[in-house]
Amino acid sequence: DVKVTQSSRYLVKRTGEKVFLECVQDMDHENMFWYRQDPGLGLRLIYFSYDVKMKEKGDIPEGYSVSREKKERFSLILESASTNQTSMYLCASSLIVPSGSSYEQYFGPGTRLTVT
Amino acid sequence: EDQVTQSPEALRLQEGESSSLNCSYTVSGLRGLFWYRQDPGKGPEFLFTLYSAGEEKEKERLKATLTKKESFLHITAPKPEDSATYLCAVQAGYGGATNKLIFGTGTLLAVQP
Repeated sequence: DVKVTQSSRYLVKRTGEKVFLECVQDMDHENMFWYRQDPGLGLRLIYFSYDVKMKEKGDIPEGYSVSREKKERFSLILESASTNQTSMYLCASSLIVPSGSSYEQYFGPGTRLTVT
Repeated sequence: EDQVTQSPEALRLQEGESSSLNCSYTVSGLRGLFWYRQDPGKGPEFLFTLYSAGEEKEKERLKATLTKKESFLHITAPKPEDSATYLCAVQAGYGGATNKLIFGTGTLLAVQP
């Protein structure tokens, strides 16, 4: 079974703090993703990575950065946390597939981040 | 613009009362449509992938179908443990291998005993 783990289930931080969220997958997947999920807005893609040290912006990258130094690990960084970054953060991974094909993403349990 | 819309937003059923959830999509070049189940406070759990119109997949009381414009998740004789949010997502586009997904906002299903 694919397993995606996230470093914390719940996190409370203060405005202006630097926040690190870490994700690890054990299935040798090339692709890794960071989403945030908010009521009524669904899952929105923040950043993704298709290889070590490679990253691409998703739909809402502002205020976030990422790091991928090893294939199995993908970190999301909030440089200076703000209250509007209070959300559920979800990490996912998938195989890379040939153009025209498709493959499902597997999700971690999520981190509920509260910024006060 | 690629778009995924799920309906209804919420559905309440009695145990044993069958129904269907809808996922309609407008995308350029569908590569795959995915159904996920999400329990409160947890990450989405993968259920099905559908690739082409006419395809069907089944798992226990769930059956997913796909047409050129929408997908249905049929729930037959649901039980209280089927209560969850069901998410639909699509992968679209003719090029690239990065597997980006576009998600709908989900249907919250409550099954009462």
